[in-house]
Amino acid sequence: DSGVTQTPKHLITATGQRVTLRCSPRSGDLSVYWYQQSLDQGLQFLIQYYNGEERAKGNILERFSAQQFPDLHSELNLSSLELGDSALYFCASSVSPNPMVAGELFFGEGSRLTVL
Amino acid sequence: AQKITQTQPGMFVQEKEAVTLDCTYDTSDPSYGLFWYKQPSSGEMIFLIYQGSYDQQNATEGRYSLNFQKARKSANLVISASQLGDSAMYFCAMREGRGNQGGKLIFGQGTELSVKP
Repeated sequence: DSGVTQTPKHLITATGQRVTLRCSPRSGDLSVYWYQQSLDQGLQFLIQYYNGEERAKGNILERFSAQQFPDLHSELNLSSLELGDSALYFCASSVSPNPMVAGELFFGEGSRLTVL
Repeated sequence: AQKITQTQPGMFVQEKEAVTLDCTYDTSDPSYGLFWYKQPSSGEMIFLIYQGSYDQQNATEGRYSLNFQKARKSANLVISASQLGDSAMYFCAMREGRGNQGGKLIFGQGTELSVKP
């Protein structure tokens, strides 16, 4: 158990809908990262927050948005969903905004989104 | 340009034997880190081992070791004495640079390892 909690674990929805994925980082971790794992794109970095502020941005679509709240939990909002958004969405956390030390980036178990 | 290449989509190994999973990377940044993660069928990403670009010695963590060949830009994972529980997808990942790059890891496509009894 990495200590990173993601909910829901599974979600099935229809095209055009909007969903929210939630992540609670490990106790004491200030940084939260979101990754998307799909069959065709593999694992891709979406966005990072550190202590409530956006720190780095990757291949995140405009239909997607995220935020980190004062209690440090984070939410990833996916709107106008398309079939291609079906993927496993991971949240990871670390104490530092710049994890270069081994093992400092811990992943949750992921939220599997299926868009029908 | 692909930054992390894992050329073995799938591999088989006999239980108790050693296996090497290949990973090559591409970067012009002198400061980078290389990671290996294991993803079992349940889906979670489990950190295995890390090698920094300035580390003089190859990293080892229990049965895992990283064969780091900087000049060849390779960071192969060696699993000794394979166990049935090692059957999983294995990902090589790289983080470039210092400063504000944060946890932006670039992942390879993965290698699916199957351990045979």
